[in-house]
Amino acid sequence: GAVVSQHPSRVICKSGTSVKIECRSLDFQATTMFWYRQFPKKSLMLMATSNEGSKATYEQGVEKDKFLINHASLTLSTLTVTSAHPEDSSFYICSARDVLAVLTDTQYFGPGTRLTVL
Amino acid sequence: AQSVTQLDSHVSVSEGTPVLLRCNYSSSYSPSLFWYVQHPNKGLQLLLKYTSAATLVKGINGFEAEFKKSETSFHLTKPSAHMSDAAEYFCVVSDSPGGGADGLTFGKGTHLIIQP
Repeated sequence: GAVVSQHPSRVICKSGTSVKIECRSLDFQATTMFWYRQFPKKSLMLMATSNEGSKATYEQGVEKDKFLINHASLTLSTLTVTSAHPEDSSFYICSARDVLAVLTDTQYFGPGTRLTVL
Repeated sequence: AQSVTQLDSHVSVSEGTPVLLRCNYSSSYSPSLFWYVQHPNKGLQLLLKYTSAATLVKGINGFEAEFKKSETSFHLTKPSAHMSDAAEYFCVVSDSPGGGADGLTFGKGTHLIIQP
């Protein structure tokens, strides 16, 4: 089955530093990847849509200069939280769309990255 | 724009009894609907999805859901709960045919508790 990995699974950083989270599709190519944010005991909120080779599309209210997204290849998208603050602490989850799975057209989710900003 | 309402934030059932998790949706188009499960410290797992084929959808682990357009509902059921079913369940909607092309809209989640 399609597998999506995220690295790191957990990260703790100091306020003001930047943190990069990687999302990889391990056994399929993904022209589109999505980044979600999940607050404790809350639902997932779509942050942005990442298309390979082009600029990401951000949802309303998401600061594109704070959450930098790069989708440089068909198997890798990165989310960089710049100048992190405690309120950025959250669970970040990516998903990837299998470009060849035309019939199913399913998003496959990564295991998530828990970010804690001190 | 689409939205999802999960009517219960918590559901508690005894092991071996039926499970019903309720979901209502709103969509401008013919929606794709999904149920995902999230176990503690685990990633999201797709239980089942509806994409305009059969209205009764069977998923993994004995779960099924019925799409009722007239009621704009997509409730999740299981005949007999197992302790391993304890988790957070999300009802999800998408306006794209398979759900892959667009970001998904998640409900707030229902925490399923299984009593021994």
